[in-house]
Amino acid sequence: DGGITQSPKYLFRKEGQNVTLSCEQNLNHDAMYWYRQDPGQGLRLIYYSQIVNDFQKGDIAEGYSVSREKKESFPLTVTSAQKNPTAFYLCASSSPGGNTEAFFGQGTRLTVV
Amino acid sequence: AQSVTQPDIHITVSEGASLELRCNYSYGATPYLFWYVQSPGQGLQLLLKYFSGDTLVQGIKGFEAEFKRSQSSFNLRKPSVHWSDAAEYFCAVDYDYKLSFGAGTTVTVRA
Repeated sequence: DGGITQSPKYLFRKEGQNVTLSCEQNLNHDAMYWYRQDPGQGLRLIYYSQIVNDFQKGDIAEGYSVSREKKESFPLTVTSAQKNPTAFYLCASSSPGGNTEAFFGQGTRLTVV
Repeated sequence: AQSVTQPDIHITVSEGASLELRCNYSYGATPYLFWYVQSPGQGLQLLLKYFSGDTLVQGIKGFEAEFKRSQSSFNLRKPSVHWSDAAEYFCAVDYDYKLSFGAGTTVTVRA
């Protein structure tokens, strides 16, 4: 079945450590997105990529990094520079152009301990 | 500044009653518009979308939305709410290849 997979579902990180969240899709979508979700703040865009080897900062990119070496993969690294990383992270993909539906993964809940 | 606004943080509605969720956007041109629903701890599911044409769009689960250009609004409605409609609802816009979301509206359904 086609879909978008995020792993792990739950992740714990010690302060000062970098951690990478995985996002893989087999929908043959060109566009991929990372969002952070906090209660009462909706989904805030961290990074997005419209094509392989290219990506753009979203509204809250500080403390995060991404890569897009393959069409199906868009990993997100939460660095030690991110001051408040505890959140629910969602990955999405879509065909580019804006007039298509975005498909979402089930999310990764990151907790800093 | 470009933005998507959902004025209502939380709405409580009785089962069987009607529901309307508000969404306003602020963009230079009409973006592509979407409504998504999220169950707790899950990803998002598309309810409906508007690209062009008929301003009243039908979606899944009995939802519909009306696009009003003059008001820059895209409000979501359902004539009769079921207990399973309790969830968080997000309005979203895709403009210039960037998909942005409102803060969401939590819907509680009481028996």
